[in-house]
Amino acid sequence: SAVISQKPSRDICQRGTSLTIQCQVDSQVTMMFWYRQQPGQSLTLIATANQGSEATYESGFVIDKFPISRPNLTFSTLTVSNMSPEDSSIYLCSVEGARMNTEAFFGQGTRLTVV
Amino acid sequence: DQQVKQNSPSLSVQEGRISILNCDYTNSMFDYFLWYKKYPAEGPTFLISISSIKDKNEDGRFTVFLNKSAKHLSLHIVPSQPGDSAVYFCAASHGGAQKLVFGQGTRLTINP
Repeated sequence: SAVISQKPSRDICQRGTSLTIQCQVDSQVTMMFWYRQQPGQSLTLIATANQGSEATYESGFVIDKFPISRPNLTFSTLTVSNMSPEDSSIYLCSVEGARMNTEAFFGQGTRLTVV
Repeated sequence: DQQVKQNSPSLSVQEGRISILNCDYTNSMFDYFLWYKKYPAEGPTFLISISSIKDKNEDGRFTVFLNKSAKHLSLHIVPSQPGDSAVYFCAASHGGAQKLVFGQGTRLTINP
Protein backbone atom coordinates (compact mmCIF):
# COMPACT_ATOMS: atom_id res chain seq x y z
CA SER A 1 0.00 0.00 0.00
CA ALA A 2 1.06 3.60 -0.58
CA VAL A 3 2.28 5.60 2.41
CA ILE A 4 0.82 9.09 2.38
CA SER A 5 1.98 11.88 4.68
CA GLN A 6 -0.05 15.02 5.18
CA LYS A 7 1.06 18.22 6.86
CA PRO A 8 -0.16 19.81 9.03
CA SER A 9 -2.23 17.22 10.87
CA ARG A 10 -4.35 19.97 12.37
CA ASP A 11 -4.51 23.75 12.52
CA ILE A 12 -6.63 26.54 13.91
CA CYS A 13 -6.79 29.54 11.60
CA GLN A 14 -8.28 32.99 11.62
CA ARG A 15 -11.03 33.76 9.14
CA GLY A 16 -9.82 35.55 6.04
CA THR A 17 -6.45 33.81 6.03
CA SER A 18 -5.23 30.90 3.87
CA LEU A 19 -3.76 27.53 4.73
CA THR A 20 -1.70 25.26 2.48
CA ILE A 21 -1.87 21.53 3.11
CA GLN A 22 0.91 19.30 1.83
CA CYS A 23 0.61 15.70 0.67
CA GLN A 24 3.67 13.51 0.11
CA VAL A 25 3.50 9.96 -1.28
CA ASP A 26 6.24 7.36 -1.01
CA SER A 27 5.91 6.31 -4.64
CA GLN A 28 5.12 7.92 -7.96
CA VAL A 29 1.43 8.10 -8.76
CA THR A 30 -0.38 9.43 -11.78
CA MET A 31 -3.31 11.05 -10.03
CA MET A 32 -3.81 12.45 -6.58
CA PHE A 33 -7.17 13.41 -5.14
CA TRP A 34 -8.27 15.90 -2.51
CA TYR A 35 -11.37 15.25 -0.39
CA ARG A 36 -13.18 17.19 2.31
CA GLN A 37 -15.15 15.80 5.23
CA GLN A 38 -17.30 18.42 6.88
CA PRO A 39 -18.42 17.75 10.47
CA GLY A 40 -20.88 14.86 10.56
CA GLN A 41 -20.79 14.47 6.77
CA SER A 42 -19.37 12.00 4.30
CA LEU A 43 -16.20 12.57 2.29
CA THR A 44 -16.64 14.75 -0.79
CA LEU A 45 -14.19 14.96 -3.68
CA ILE A 46 -12.82 18.48 -4.19
CA ALA A 47 -10.53 17.93 -7.17
CA THR A 48 -8.11 15.68 -9.00
CA ALA A 49 -4.51 16.89 -9.03
CA ASN A 50 -2.80 16.04 -12.31
CA GLN A 51 0.94 16.32 -12.78
CA GLY A 52 1.79 18.70 -15.59
CA SER A 53 -1.68 20.14 -16.00
CA GLU A 54 -4.31 22.07 -14.08
CA ALA A 55 -6.35 20.33 -11.45
CA THR A 56 -9.84 19.15 -12.34
CA TYR A 57 -12.46 20.46 -9.93
CA GLU A 58 -15.77 18.88 -8.99
CA SER A 59 -19.05 20.72 -9.05
CA GLY A 60 -19.24 23.25 -6.25
CA PHE A 61 -15.49 23.72 -5.92
CA VAL A 62 -13.44 26.40 -7.69
CA ILE A 63 -9.77 27.05 -8.23
CA ASP A 64 -9.83 30.50 -6.63
CA LYS A 65 -11.00 29.00 -3.34
CA PHE A 66 -8.99 25.74 -3.47
CA PRO A 67 -5.86 26.23 -5.60
CA ILE A 68 -3.91 23.02 -6.08
CA SER A 69 -0.33 22.41 -7.10
CA ARG A 70 1.20 19.17 -8.41
CA PRO A 71 4.86 19.83 -9.13
CA ASN A 72 5.86 16.16 -9.44
CA LEU A 73 4.53 12.60 -9.23
CA THR A 74 4.92 12.29 -5.44
CA PHE A 75 3.72 15.64 -4.08
CA SER A 76 0.71 17.92 -4.10
CA THR A 77 -0.61 20.88 -2.13
CA LEU A 78 -4.13 22.12 -1.51
CA THR A 79 -4.66 25.70 -0.35
CA VAL A 80 -7.85 26.75 1.40
CA SER A 81 -8.12 30.46 0.62
CA ASN A 82 -9.86 33.31 2.38
CA MET A 83 -11.17 30.95 5.02
CA SER A 84 -14.49 31.19 6.81
CA PRO A 85 -15.86 29.02 9.64
CA GLU A 86 -17.74 26.97 7.00
CA ASP A 87 -14.35 25.72 5.77
CA SER A 88 -13.79 23.92 9.08
CA SER A 89 -13.39 20.32 7.93
CA ILE A 90 -11.02 17.44 7.61
CA TYR A 91 -9.11 17.62 4.32
CA LEU A 92 -7.74 14.36 2.95
CA CYS A 93 -5.30 13.48 0.21
CA SER A 94 -5.81 10.22 -1.68
CA VAL A 95 -3.96 8.20 -4.32
CA GLU A 96 -4.63 5.09 -6.32
CA GLY A 97 -2.92 1.92 -5.20
CA ALA A 98 -0.20 0.14 -7.13
CA ARG A 99 -2.84 -2.07 -8.66
CA MET A 100 -4.48 0.54 -10.79
CA ASN A 101 -8.20 1.04 -10.37
CA THR A 102 -8.63 -1.47 -7.60
CA GLU A 103 -8.01 0.51 -4.44
CA ALA A 104 -7.41 4.02 -3.20
CA PHE A 105 -5.39 5.05 -0.16
CA PHE A 106 -5.79 8.06 2.08
CA GLY A 107 -3.53 10.23 4.17
CA GLN A 108 -4.33 10.76 7.83
CA GLY A 109 -6.08 14.03 7.07
CA THR A 110 -5.72 17.65 8.12
CA ARG A 111 -8.24 18.84 10.66
CA LEU A 112 -8.87 22.52 10.03
CA THR A 113 -10.75 24.78 12.40
CA VAL A 114 -11.50 28.34 11.31
CA VAL A 115 -12.31 30.83 14.04
CA ASP B 1 -28.54 14.43 -4.13
CA GLN B 2 -27.11 11.61 -2.05
CA GLN B 3 -26.01 8.98 -4.58
CA VAL B 4 -24.62 6.63 -1.93
CA LYS B 5 -26.56 6.10 1.27
CA GLN B 6 -25.81 4.32 4.49
CA ASN B 7 -29.09 4.49 6.34
CA SER B 8 -27.85 3.19 9.67
CA PRO B 9 -25.73 5.80 11.45
CA SER B 10 -24.74 3.29 14.10
CA LEU B 11 -24.67 -0.46 14.78
CA SER B 12 -23.85 -2.38 17.94
CA VAL B 13 -22.79 -6.05 17.76
CA GLN B 14 -21.63 -8.63 20.27
CA GLU B 15 -18.03 -9.79 19.96
CA GLY B 16 -17.80 -13.00 17.96
CA ARG B 17 -21.09 -12.43 16.13
CA ILE B 18 -21.59 -11.24 12.57
CA SER B 19 -21.66 -7.52 11.73
CA ILE B 20 -23.63 -6.55 8.63
CA LEU B 21 -23.28 -3.05 7.27
CA ASN B 22 -25.52 -1.92 4.45
CA CYS B 23 -25.21 0.56 1.62
CA ASP B 24 -27.57 1.65 -1.16
CA TYR B 25 -26.79 3.60 -4.30
CA THR B 26 -28.85 5.34 -6.92
CA ASN B 27 -26.48 5.92 -9.84
CA SER B 28 -26.61 2.95 -12.21
CA MET B 29 -23.31 4.10 -13.77
CA PHE B 30 -21.39 3.05 -10.66
CA ASP B 31 -19.45 -0.11 -11.43
CA TYR B 32 -16.95 -0.28 -8.60
CA PHE B 33 -17.58 -0.30 -4.88
CA LEU B 34 -15.27 -0.07 -1.89
CA TRP B 35 -15.50 -0.24 1.89
CA TYR B 36 -13.30 1.79 4.21
CA LYS B 37 -12.80 1.79 7.95
CA LYS B 38 -11.97 4.99 9.79
CA TYR B 39 -10.66 5.51 13.29
CA PRO B 40 -10.72 8.96 14.90
CA ALA B 41 -7.83 11.22 13.85
CA GLU B 42 -6.83 8.82 11.06
CA GLY B 43 -7.55 8.66 7.38
CA PRO B 44 -9.87 5.99 5.95
CA THR B 45 -8.28 2.55 5.61
CA PHE B 46 -9.18 0.47 2.57
CA LEU B 47 -10.86 -2.82 3.48
CA ILE B 48 -12.31 -4.54 0.47
CA SER B 49 -13.75 -3.77 -2.94
CA ILE B 50 -15.98 -5.35 -5.55
CA SER B 51 -16.50 -4.83 -9.24
CA SER B 52 -19.99 -4.84 -10.70
CA ILE B 53 -19.16 -7.98 -12.68
CA LYS B 54 -19.13 -9.90 -9.40
CA ASP B 55 -21.73 -10.41 -6.71
CA LYS B 56 -19.40 -11.44 -3.90
CA ASN B 57 -15.83 -10.81 -2.81
CA GLU B 58 -14.21 -12.30 0.25
CA ASP B 59 -11.03 -11.39 2.12
CA GLY B 60 -10.49 -13.10 5.45
CA ARG B 61 -13.19 -12.03 7.89
CA PHE B 62 -14.61 -9.51 5.42
CA THR B 63 -17.09 -10.31 2.66
CA VAL B 64 -18.84 -7.81 0.42
CA PHE B 65 -22.05 -8.73 -1.39
CA LEU B 66 -23.40 -6.77 -4.34
CA ASN B 67 -26.99 -6.89 -5.55
CA LYS B 68 -27.04 -4.81 -8.73
CA SER B 69 -30.76 -5.14 -9.36
CA ALA B 70 -31.49 -3.71 -5.92
CA LYS B 71 -28.55 -1.27 -6.08
CA HIS B 72 -27.49 -2.55 -2.71
CA LEU B 73 -24.26 -3.78 -1.19
CA SER B 74 -23.39 -5.08 2.22
CA LEU B 75 -20.25 -5.75 4.22
CA HIS B 76 -20.18 -8.79 6.46
CA ILE B 77 -17.60 -9.08 9.22
CA VAL B 78 -17.38 -12.43 10.93
CA PRO B 79 -16.42 -13.01 13.63
CA SER B 80 -16.57 -9.43 14.89
CA GLN B 81 -13.69 -8.30 17.08
CA PRO B 82 -13.28 -5.30 19.41
CA GLY B 83 -10.72 -3.79 17.03
CA ASP B 84 -13.44 -3.61 14.39
CA SER B 85 -15.10 -0.77 16.31
CA ALA B 86 -14.81 2.19 13.92
CA VAL B 87 -16.76 4.19 11.37
CA TYR B 88 -17.31 2.30 8.10
CA PHE B 89 -17.76 4.11 4.81
CA CYS B 90 -19.15 2.69 1.63
CA ALA B 91 -17.87 4.30 -1.58
CA ALA B 92 -18.74 3.94 -5.25
CA SER B 93 -17.26 5.04 -8.55
CA HIS B 94 -17.43 4.65 -12.29
CA GLY B 95 -14.33 3.18 -13.88
CA GLY B 96 -12.23 2.13 -10.91
CA ALA B 97 -10.98 3.50 -7.60
CA GLN B 98 -10.99 7.11 -8.70
CA LYS B 99 -13.37 9.94 -7.91
CA LEU B 100 -15.11 8.08 -5.13
CA VAL B 101 -18.59 8.98 -3.93
CA PHE B 102 -18.98 8.17 -0.25
CA GLY B 103 -21.89 7.31 1.98
CA GLN B 104 -22.38 9.02 5.32
CA GLY B 105 -20.75 6.26 7.31
CA THR B 106 -21.94 3.76 9.94
CA ARG B 107 -20.39 3.72 13.41
CA LEU B 108 -19.85 0.08 14.39
CA THR B 109 -19.36 -0.78 18.06
CA ILE B 110 -18.32 -4.28 19.05
CA ASN B 111 -19.30 -5.11 22.61
CA PRO B 112 -17.29 -7.65 24.65
